[in-house]
Amino acid sequence: AQSVTQLGSHVSVSEGALVLLRCNYSSSVPPYLFWYVQYPNQGLQLLLKYTTGATLVKGINGFEAEFKKSETSFHLTKPSAHMSDAAEYFCAVTAANQAGTALIFGKGTTLSVSS
Amino acid sequence: GAVVSQHPSWVICKSGTSVKIECRSLDFQATTMFWYRQFPKQSLMLMATSNEGSKATYEQGVEKDKFLINHASLTLSTLTVTSAHPEDSSFYICSAGLAGRGELFFGEGSRLTVL
Repeated sequence: AQSVTQLGSHVSVSEGALVLLRCNYSSSVPPYLFWYVQYPNQGLQLLLKYTTGATLVKGINGFEAEFKKSETSFHLTKPSAHMSDAAEYFCAVTAANQAGTALIFGKGTTLSVSS
Repeated sequence: GAVVSQHPSWVICKSGTSVKIECRSLDFQATTMFWYRQFPKQSLMLMATSNEGSKATYEQGVEKDKFLINHASLTLSTLTVTSAHPEDSSFYICSAGLAGRGELFFGEGSRLTVL
């Protein structure tokens, strides 16, 4: 079984500040890990993903995340927040060895950016 | 590539009626599609896995007779909410994956409001 825990349901930062959204996962098999962003009344947009290879993954809009197996973490960061980054962020996991399996989502973190 | 489209985006219906939501993979074939439900300010909960040419696999607690899923072709899955009630009001999101990619592509979501 797999699960995802996102620490902090709401994160507030100032424009230009560092963004750090935390995600820890649980998986009995090697995981694939994802971060998605959702704007109000819209579907999900993939920010980045880790499957295999380099553990530091760069995504769109300046976001990146690092897979740390020893810490079972996949935290999302961005060096400098922009107002347009305000949205809901979801971390998700799936089993790497099972093609066609659903993603399991964390509860989400709302990011607020103030000017 | 890898675009998933849902229709309708918004639907309002009277209590007791049935509503059908379509999910299409526009530029790829999807043998498996997933249906999620999202309540306001909450995460995505997997409802069922839709398999082309066979019965859907429902998650525990999801009523099979209320949420009918049909996956008649490799590019189309439908979710029918039967005898809808106000508590069925929610945001429904479908997704599909590409073999070997390990990620899911999400539709834009369908907002259902039952009066």
